[in-house]
Amino acid sequence: ILNVEQSPQSLHVQEGDSTNFTCSFPSSNFYALHWYRWETAKSPEALFVMTLNGDEKKKGRISATLNTKEGYSYLYIKGSQPEDSATYLCASKAAGNKLTFGGGTRVLVKP
Amino acid sequence: EPEVTQTPSHQVTQMGQEVILRCVPISNHLYFYWYRQILGQKVEFLVSFYNNEISEKSEIFDDQFSVERPDGSNFTLKIRSTKLEDSAMYFCASRPDRGSNQPQHFGDGTRLSIL
Repeated sequence: ILNVEQSPQSLHVQEGDSTNFTCSFPSSNFYALHWYRWETAKSPEALFVMTLNGDEKKKGRISATLNTKEGYSYLYIKGSQPEDSATYLCASKAAGNKLTFGGGTRVLVKP
Repeated sequence: EPEVTQTPSHQVTQMGQEVILRCVPISNHLYFYWYRQILGQKVEFLVSFYNNEISEKSEIFDDQFSVERPDGSNFTLKIRSTKLEDSAMYFCASRPDRGSNQPQHFGDGTRLSIL
């Protein structure tokens, strides 16, 4: 059974501060790690798809790293802004089509 | 930018009734999915669909569930005899091709409430 865990469940960050949080996943039979940004009442928005050990991806102030050998990924938000407030979901893909999601990290940026 | 659309946004149904949730995937996409999120729990996979047949399904997707692509644009999830525990947010997603580095594109979801 593939178990994907995210920590922390939630965090508060002051506007302008940087933050990061973790996604852990089973490293065996790994194909890809997906990150999504999910605002309330909207659809999850794809941020990154990462496949290679050591991969680093960046989109504006948000970046992510991947360690497939130890089974974790970090997502970083640099200089947080109120519009970064959302739930960030990671999902692991093994063989097959399905994504297995973590529980999400809810980020609240305080002005 | 093209998007996945789902209807209705909220469906209230009596226990034991049949319900059909509708999705219009992005037009050139080839893989289609249904996921659900029960309140307070993780998003969980139900089924994937490719080339007009189910390619993978989870243990949740038992005989009361079915999927169909009736007309080349819609992708539906039918729950035959709903139970209280079917209450959840149901998400449709689609992906363009087989590559594992393609993200799945999600709709806004249908909130299903079983009374």
